[in-house]
Amino acid sequence: SAVISQKPSRDICQRGTSLTIQCQVDSQVTMMFWYRQQPGQSLTLIATANQGSEATYESGFVIDKFPISRPNLTFSTLTVSNMSPEDSSIYLCSVEDRGPGPGETQYFGPGTRLLVL
Amino acid sequence: DAKTTQPTSMDCAEGRAANLPCNHSTISGNEYVYWYRQIHSQGPQYIIHGLKNNETNEMASLIITEDRKSSTLILPHATLRDTAVYYCIVRVARGNKLVFGAGTILRVKS
Repeated sequence: SAVISQKPSRDICQRGTSLTIQCQVDSQVTMMFWYRQQPGQSLTLIATANQGSEATYESGFVIDKFPISRPNLTFSTLTVSNMSPEDSSIYLCSVEDRGPGPGETQYFGPGTRLLVL
Repeated sequence: DAKTTQPTSMDCAEGRAANLPCNHSTISGNEYVYWYRQIHSQGPQYIIHGLKNNETNEMASLIITEDRKSSTLILPHATLRDTAVYYCIVRVARGNKLVFGAGTILRVKS
């Protein structure tokens, strides 16, 4: 299974600033996903990022607020722009990869814990 | 993707089997049942998935009913480190997002 790392692991930011989160995978993968987990809540998909195409955003998430880059098959970034305290969450990168059993499986990174003051 | 229903929480004694149920009565023929768990604020960890046959790996067993409308995740010998939120998700096997519900909080007690 793919091994995923994220940077930074955590950060404390001031409102109005932006933070770029990096996701690195140890193998080439076609599909990468960015999720958000607000305090006490379950995970929600922000967008799907495929290499060579524009990211596809879920309802309620827009490119101006969460721009995503996917320059190659092992790397992606998510930027949280013009942050407010409501953006305080865990941001998680996941990838789809061949795994045990039939079909493909999604694997998750350790997450980036963001606190906005 | 089909919705799933799970109990809010369950307790299990350390060393005993933990049986976590999931209902997915509207599952489609090409949708798989996936199980993940999330240990306090870490990234979700893949456990197991299956289509219609029972599956077993080093972590757990997945039992899917013949009509595929429900399944059970079995942790054969629960330890304190298995305390986590367990998510049952159904989706097609490739390319679709994972839709996370509230999951089941499993508390393993000594």
